[in-house]
Amino acid sequence: GNSVTQMEGPVTLSEEAFLTINCTYTATGYPSLFWYVQYPGEGLQLLLKATKADDKGSNKGFEATYRKETTSFHLEKGSVQVSDSAVYFCALSNAGNNRKLIWGLGTSLAVNP
Amino acid sequence: DGGITQSPKYLFRKEGQNVTLSCEQNLNHDAMYWYRQDPGQGLRLIYYSQIVNDFQKGDIAEGYSVSREKKESFPLTVTSAQKNPTAFYLCASVTVGAANVLTFGAGSRLTVL
Repeated sequence: GNSVTQMEGPVTLSEEAFLTINCTYTATGYPSLFWYVQYPGEGLQLLLKATKADDKGSNKGFEATYRKETTSFHLEKGSVQVSDSAVYFCALSNAGNNRKLIWGLGTSLAVNP
Repeated sequence: DGGITQSPKYLFRKEGQNVTLSCEQNLNHDAMYWYRQDPGQGLRLIYYSQIVNDFQKGDIAEGYSVSREKKESFPLTVTSAQKNPTAFYLCASVTVGAANVLTFGAGSRLTVL
């Protein structure tokens, strides 16, 4: 079946450090891949997405590349800020699954000044 | 502005009581979802609805009930049969062709005393 595996948190970084949050997936066919972000006390919001192999999603300085050969969609940012402190969720969707998303468990990021 | 409104934001309930969480969207989205979020467990799907007057069980539907009498509304009732209802509940919606880009509400935190 379909599944998403994220690196466990929490991740703690200093401001301006480089961020990588690993995400790998198992799926049949050609899923779409997503990163959602949840700021403290709020709902989730879409951060970026990629719908086919080799696509790169980007937003707010974050990037992730859809790598079919390694079944990965790692999230990166070159220089994190305190305001990036949040929980990050990787997710996938597959055609024909009634528009349900398959979610990773989330990775908590804390950025210290 | 369009969006999803969840209410109440915080709710306390005594054991044995049913409680209903409200979810209203003015985005004209077709599908609506209820998720439960517990620390370290990511998002788990409770119920979803793709069309008015129709809904399907998700992965953890036991002890919950929903209705979809109007396109914009998808209330969730947490019944006394739910063994461990204390959690953060998230409502989301999406429209056809939106490639699973969900819009989330801000969530409702339920605490059973």
